[in-house]
Amino acid sequence: EVQLVESGGGLVQPGRSLRLSCTTSGFTFADYGVTWVRQAPGQGLEWIGLIRNKASRGTTEYAASVKGRFTISRDDSKSIAYLQLNSLRTEDSALYSCARVDGDYDVGFMDVWGQGTTVSVSS
Amino acid sequence: DVVLTQSPLSLPVTLGQSASISCRSSQSLVYKDGSTYLNWFQQRPGQSPRRLVYKVSNRDSGVPDRFSGSGADTDFTLEITRVEAEDVGVYYCMQGTHWPFTFGGGTKVEIK
Repeated sequence: EVQLVESGGGLVQPGRSLRLSCTTSGFTFADYGVTWVRQAPGQGLEWIGLIRNKASRGTTEYAASVKGRFTISRDDSKSIAYLQLNSLRTEDSALYSCARVDGDYDVGFMDVWGQGTTVSVSS
Repeated sequence: DVVLTQSPLSLPVTLGQSASISCRSSQSLVYKDGSTYLNWFQQRPGQSPRRLVYKVSNRDSGVPDRFSGSGADTDFTLEITRVEAEDVGVYYCMQGTHWPFTFGGGTKVEIK
């Protein structure tokens, strides 16, 4: 069974950092990219970034709202993707979810999601 | 960034009737390879999003054939026929043609 499980969320003060993990199983992780999406309470979905698969050298793309503050990385040996959140702001408070992305952005494009991990930024 | 405008924001539907959700893009979603990377997601209350349709009209396995996606270029539609109680939730379109990827604002489907 294909699974993605997020972890690492919590309560953090503004300006601090947090690292989220997306632990995967049930598929060949190196063949897939991973994308991160967040959802603030009562709000819609916001795409925040993507890391491509091993064949595409794990290059990344980001939304303007997080570029320069957030960094996505991956460890193919552990089948885990990471989202490093730096210089956190109160408006970054949200449920953060990961989803897999196939290389062709086709049948495997965001077809499986995790349940998410909650980040709360408050003093 | 590509702006996806969904309408309506809220869609009350009678059980057994049909529903139609529009998604309009601020620019063409046709990629240089000829494909159009427009997807539809359903988010039921308290659940993670679930993909229903990819590349405009390809329905995911396990998705009832009551759901269908159509459209081209900048105008896209998700149709739900014979609406059932389990269809309640928020529906989002999302484009994967241009960086950064973007979601529409969502359409809330509820039962009258």
